[in-house]
Amino acid sequence: EDKVVQSPLSLVVHEGDTVTLNCSYEVTNFRSLLWYKQEKKAPTFLFMLTSSGIEKKSGRLSSILDKKELFSILNITATQTGDSAIYLCAVVEETSGSRLTFGEGTQLTVNP
Amino acid sequence: NAGVMQNPRHLVRRRGQEARLRCSPMKGHSHVYWYRQLPEEGLKFMVYLQKENIIDESGMPKERFSAEFPKEGPSILRIQQVVRGDSAAYFCASRTSGGSDTQYFGPGTRLTVL
Repeated sequence: EDKVVQSPLSLVVHEGDTVTLNCSYEVTNFRSLLWYKQEKKAPTFLFMLTSSGIEKKSGRLSSILDKKELFSILNITATQTGDSAIYLCAVVEETSGSRLTFGEGTQLTVNP
Repeated sequence: NAGVMQNPRHLVRRRGQEARLRCSPMKGHSHVYWYRQLPEEGLKFMVYLQKENIIDESGMPKERFSAEFPKEGPSILRIQQVVRGDSAAYFCASRTSGGSDTQYFGPGTRLTVL
């Protein structure tokens, strides 16, 4: 059974800090890994990663995948209070029809 | 340029009643997924549908739950004879038929069973 483990489960930082969120996975036939941000509503898409070592970047957020060690990290630099959310990691297995298997999420709180 | 639409946003049912949750995918998307988020738990896959077909229902409870995506109209997730344990947020997501796995989520329906 596919498995996704995120760490830490919760994190409290001050505005301006840099954070690194971790996601490790066990998938029989890995195809892709996706990051979402969930506030009090729908998860919103951040990144999809399929290739090892290629960093995806959007503003202060960036993510990279290591297919050999089976993990991904999501970095957020110069955090703002608006970054407070649950960050979800999900994987897609090759024959799953793009079904997402999610981790439990990391609850990030950014204090002013 | 509407995103994924779900209604109702909040639904209250008494034990034994039926709940019907609706999902309209993004324009041009023909693949629909339903996920459930129980309190203090992560999102769990329930069912994957294309128009008029159930592709994967491996995450659906065997009884009381059903889903459809008719040729015309929204996808429906139906829960018969609801119990307290069905209280959760139910999210619908959609994607295109291209090669991307990226799914876009609706705002969810929060079901409360009294």
